[in-house]
Amino acid sequence: DIVMTQSPDSLAVSLGERATINCKSSQSLLYSFNNKNHLAWYQQKPGQPPKLLFSWASTRASGVPDRFSGSGSGTDFTLTISNLQAEDVAVYYCQQYYGPPLTFGGGTKVEIK
Amino acid sequence: QVQLQQSGPGLVKPSQTLSLTCAISGDSVSSNNADWAWIRQSPSRGLEWLGRTYYRSKWFTDYAVSVKSRITINPDTSKNQFSLQLNSVTPEDTAVYYCTRGGASEYWGQGTLVIVSS
Repeated sequence: DIVMTQSPDSLAVSLGERATINCKSSQSLLYSFNNKNHLAWYQQKPGQPPKLLFSWASTRASGVPDRFSGSGSGTDFTLTISNLQAEDVAVYYCQQYYGPPLTFGGGTKVEIK
Repeated sequence: QVQLQQSGPGLVKPSQTLSLTCAISGDSVSSNNADWAWIRQSPSRGLEWLGRTYYRSKWFTDYAVSVKSRITINPDTSKNQFSLQLNSVTPEDTAVYYCTRGGASEYWGQGTLVIVSS
């Protein structure tokens, strides 16, 4: 199974500042067939299912504010929240969908400092 | 707009079978470019993908090794839904269960908290 490792486990950021979340996979998620990274990012708030933020590592899902950005390739990926807003308080997960079983990172809790 | 509506009991006794259904609207379980999965979430195990079913000229299923001996995911084309059965449950199977569409899952069911307890 592909192991997804997120860091940090939690972080506190001041309003308007930047939050950076890292995700590392145990093998490359770049699929030669389509030259795409099979990596997704989700945001989860209490009592709700995860909400897709990015697919293919950097393709923003519909309705996601552009202060969120996804980057990286191969085994190393980053989710950046610029200009953090109060509504961004949540747990963020990365997920690989390179192949079954699909696996998730352990999550990063983002709070306001 | 795709919507997934889950149904099923929230309390299951140990050693019995957990059964959940996910009704699909706005898409087809027989779509040739979607797959339909079950994911669960618990404090101890985090988000755990359990398995999926999908149609590519014929039906396929994939299951997580951790539950492979106990799980069945079935499509129901007549009702445009798919189901999860997990046999021989223990308290460790207590979790919120979600149905989803796709690898990068844009669409999720509302979640069902299933408690395994006598």
